Amino acid sequence: EADIYQTPRYLVIGTGKKITLECSQTMGHDKMYWYQQDPGMELHLIHYSYGVNSTEKGDLSSESTVSRIRTEHFPLTLESARPSHTSQYLCASSDRGRDSSPLHFGNGTRLTVT
Amino acid sequence: GQNIDQPTEMTATEGAIVQINCTYQTSGFNGLFWYQQHAGEAPTFLSYNVLDGLEEKGRFSSFLSRSKGYSYLLLKELQMKDSASYLCAAMDSNYQLIWGAGTKLIIKP
Repeated sequence: EADIYQTPRYLVIGTGKKITLECSQTMGHDKMYWYQQDPGMELHLIHYSYGVNSTEKGDLSSESTVSRIRTEHFPLTLESARPSHTSQYLCASSDRGRDSSPLHFGNGTRLTVT
Repeated sequence: GQNIDQPTEMTATEGAIVQINCTYQTSGFNGLFWYQQHAGEAPTFLSYNVLDGLEEKGRFSSFLSRSKGYSYLLLKELQMKDSASYLCAAMDSNYQLIWGAGTKLIIKP
């Protein structure tokens, strides 16, 4: 059973469209993250949050935004999709109580921009 | 700079033992994680080491040498379901994770 949910699982969209990838977790975790992962490549941090009303930029943040209005919800928005955004997007959460807490990942959203 | 090195791909036989190595360079160090990722699925947590030595969890063990910037994941009694990518990630002084590209493990009957 999944405690962290991502929707949609797959998305094909045209260039220039605005899209929001949804992520929700039911574990009460304070920390949440968005990663981008291409096949055979390392995970790249896009944005992260330490709690409600807290958002920080990662390495690949320049073309996207996030919000954290509720503990359980951390949506990622691409204002204008481009073919270079084609990738898998993984949402994750962890317990703030310990900095070494492992990440719990959602099943990902596979985005294709045509 | 900060980086993680691990082999791109390894092949092993069902029932055998395989060791997946990982070397890391980070600004400060707050532990090393191993994750398993089956194709098309999310990574799942396997182990965490912050002190030198071996941590054993069933068929999987993880080793850390902080002085050498080195870790390995040891998988025993390999099963076909162990075919997956294994991701090494080191936590730096800011508690940010630096990820390796993963090692794709292929298990042959």
